[in-house]
Amino acid sequence: AQSVAQPEDQVNVAEGNPLTVKCTYSVSGNPYLFWYVQYPNRGLQFLLKYITGDNLVKGSYGFEAEFNKSQTSFHLKKPSALVSDSALYFCAVRDRDNYGQNFVFGPGTRLSVLP
Amino acid sequence: GAGVSQTPSNKVTEKGKYVELRCDPISGHTALYWYRQSLGQGPEFLIYFQGTGAADDSGLPNDRFFAVRPEGSVSTLKIQRTERGDSAVYLCASSPGLAGETQYFGPGTRLLVL
Repeated sequence: AQSVAQPEDQVNVAEGNPLTVKCTYSVSGNPYLFWYVQYPNRGLQFLLKYITGDNLVKGSYGFEAEFNKSQTSFHLKKPSALVSDSALYFCAVRDRDNYGQNFVFGPGTRLSVLP
Repeated sequence: GAGVSQTPSNKVTEKGKYVELRCDPISGHTALYWYRQSLGQGPEFLIYFQGTGAADDSGLPNDRFFAVRPEGSVSTLKIQRTERGDSAVYLCASSPGLAGETQYFGPGTRLLVL
């Protein structure tokens, strides 16, 4: 079975500072990994994904994430946080070798960027 | 269409009633997913369609929940004999249909069972 952990319920960072939102995963095969962001009363918006190839993935709004197979992690990062980045962030995994398997989302991390 | 749409945006019903929630996926997307999201939690998978057929319905919590996609486009999630614990935001997502492709989410239907 696949699972996703986001060990921090809340991350606080000052505007202009770098941010990291952590994600670790477990799948029996190889993973597809995704990050989504959710603003209040809005649906989930896609940020970036890792499918294969380069371990460093760049996505929307200046976000990037690094796939680390040995640590089974896919942490989300941004070099300089903006107040407008404050939102709920979800990591998701799908088992690439078992296509019938569904997506599994983590519990979410609330990011607060302080001015 | 421009994106995934869901109707209604809000639904209030009484315990024991039947409800239907509708999802219009992005045109041409063969894969369609339903999720349930409770307050402060991540989306919980319910069911996944590839075309007209349910490829994986392992997330449906019990037999009160059922979903259809008769023509491979619009999908309806049906909940019978609603219970207060069914209150949540029901999210729909679609994707072009291959395993690694991005899911695009609708705004959700907020269901409140009184």
